[in-house]
Amino acid sequence: DQQVKQNSPSLSVQEGRISILNCDYTNSMFDYFLWYKKYPAEGPTFLISISSIKDKNEDGRFTVFLNKSAKHLSLHIVPSQPGDSAVYFCAASRQGDKLIFGTGTRLQVFP
Amino acid sequence: EPEVTQTPSHQVTQMGQEVILRCVPISNHLYFYWYRQILGQKVEFLVSFYNNEISEKSEIFDDQFSVERPDGSNFTLKIRSTKLEDSAMYFCASNVDRGTGELFFGEGSRLTVL
Repeated sequence: DQQVKQNSPSLSVQEGRISILNCDYTNSMFDYFLWYKKYPAEGPTFLISISSIKDKNEDGRFTVFLNKSAKHLSLHIVPSQPGDSAVYFCAASRQGDKLIFGTGTRLQVFP
Repeated sequence: EPEVTQTPSHQVTQMGQEVILRCVPISNHLYFYWYRQILGQKVEFLVSFYNNEISEKSEIFDDQFSVERPDGSNFTLKIRSTKLEDSAMYFCASNVDRGTGELFFGEGSRLTVL
């Protein structure tokens, strides 16, 4: 039962350009969405989140967009930097309940 | 900056052996979680713990698994009789409240069952 899906397993972007990572969900009861970044051999690190009552949240180079009608969210990173190379997980929760993670997208930012 | 710490970082065990993974959550956090990630797969929820009891557990968290908070600081995951398919990275996480779902994760304990 894949309630949170990340259909792109990998993404390669040139340094300085925009990275767009996508995520779809099926459960309309989710009310909070989060992006986590994960380096190899480390735990997931919280990056940015958005409540279902908003459609955009921005934090420095990172912006998350939420389209509730399409059950879709995206993470924009601009400008992309080599240090952004990692696996990005989309996650969703309902009323602060457990996080349901997507399968992850491996982002590689090359010079 | 406060962080969640986990030990051991890597444990190799024989099938059928008991394993205990330990976690020290961030000190003022009240909600505790175990997740796992089998190699190449997504991060999966195992169990949540609040007020000294399990608040929710997944289908994965069967009778072979147990959690406890023995001394008010450590939060442990015990696997009674390990199977090959228990090989995974186990992540402990904690949260000060449930409102946002923002969890703070440890670096993980890699379990290899032979």
